[in-house]
Amino acid sequence: TQLLEQSPQFLSIQEGENLTVYCNSSSVFSSLQWYRQEPGEGPVLLVTVVTGGEVKKLKRLTFQFGDARKDSSLHITAAQPGDTGLYLCAGDPASGNEKLTFGTGTRLTIIP
Amino acid sequence: EAGVVQSPRYKIIEKKQPVAFWCNPISGHNTLYWYLQNLGQGPELLIRYENEEAVDDSQLPKDRFSAERLKGVDSTLKIQPAELGDSAVYLCASSFGTGGTEAFFGQGTRLTVV
Repeated sequence: TQLLEQSPQFLSIQEGENLTVYCNSSSVFSSLQWYRQEPGEGPVLLVTVVTGGEVKKLKRLTFQFGDARKDSSLHITAAQPGDTGLYLCAGDPASGNEKLTFGTGTRLTIIP
Repeated sequence: EAGVVQSPRYKIIEKKQPVAFWCNPISGHNTLYWYLQNLGQGPELLIRYENEEAVDDSQLPKDRFSAERLKGVDSTLKIQPAELGDSAVYLCASSFGTGGTEAFFGQGTRLTVV
């Protein structure tokens, strides 16, 4: 059972466009992480958010943690081909079982 | 600093054969994870170690899967016998501590069972 649902599952857009990827759950998380994974590689951490309502920016990427700590979003401005990859959110449940649970993933393709 | 090292990178075996994967975590990381990842999906936890203790193996199919981390450092994951449905990427990750700390992943082992 996936606790974290990501949408959309697939997204293909032109270079220069903006996009938002969502990560939703009915569970509360102590923290939430976003990873990017390229083919043949393991996921690489982009950011960790820990406070409800928190917003973090990493160059053209903006991450937001929902006020209730149940959801998160990743917004990319002026997408570039190098942004192509599988984006994964992962949460640390507040229930205390300390299991890093991954979302279903969003496969992003940026067309030059 | 070396990252998480996994071997082999690729493995092709016939069904019913055994297979083993090896992982060497980042030095000093006491938590080690084994994940299974099917194509285009998120990783699913198989087992989590804190030092040499398996603290969460609830998702490990224990009839055919086994894992060990005898000295609290490197770890092996074994499947015996392998089934066609076991074809996937097996990812190892490590972290310094638990509970939301950053997990560093290896490149994974892509297993194909034919």
